[in-house]
Amino acid sequence: DTGVSQDPRHKITKRGQNVTFRCDPISEHNRLYWYRQTLGQGPEFLTYFQNEAQLEKSRLLSDRFSAERPKGSFSTLEIQRTEQGDSAMYLCASLGQGKTGELFFGEGSRLTVL
Amino acid sequence: SQQGEEDPQALSIQEGENATMNCSYKTSINNLQWYRQNSGRGLVHLILIRSNEREKHSGRLRVTLDTSKKSSSLLITASRAADTASYFCATVNPTSELSFGAGTTVTVRA
Repeated sequence: DTGVSQDPRHKITKRGQNVTFRCDPISEHNRLYWYRQTLGQGPEFLTYFQNEAQLEKSRLLSDRFSAERPKGSFSTLEIQRTEQGDSAMYLCASLGQGKTGELFFGEGSRLTVL
Repeated sequence: SQQGEEDPQALSIQEGENATMNCSYKTSINNLQWYRQNSGRGLVHLILIRSNEREKHSGRLRVTLDTSKKSSSLLITASRAADTASYFCATVNPTSELSFGAGTTVTVRA
């Protein structure tokens, strides 16, 4: 257990529905990252926060994706009007202040869009 | 797009043998990290090597970094069945973005 928790672990939804994932990072970590991972591939960067500020967003993050970290603690990743291509594992990771070292990953939220 | 590329994509070895995997990357980095992922689980950090370091050890792990060739290698010595997992290299660029390769899947046969 890395101390980063994600919820739900699994989500099955129908195309067109909205889904939301939550990540609770390690409490003293000010940086929070979201990655997407498809089968057989490495994680792809989506976005990251420093405290409540969203500092960077990948081109992968279309208008249907939005992420928030309202109080600089937990974060949510919402996907609107899901498509089958959104099926993937969504990984959250956190990093301590002033650190350039290891990310602590949660177990991920697996999304299946039917 | 992913920064690093691991080689080989898959590796099958006998327990007790060494496993070596390589990572090549394209742009300048602050550091390079290796992570491990068991099937269906999150990633776990293994080791970090800074751009001014050439070699680093941690237990049965040995990492090398050649910034002139933009490449790194991870060696796992005396492999165990529990080492069966996917291994990813991740590069950290000057803006602190962490980019992963596609990974090497290692199977250790008992």
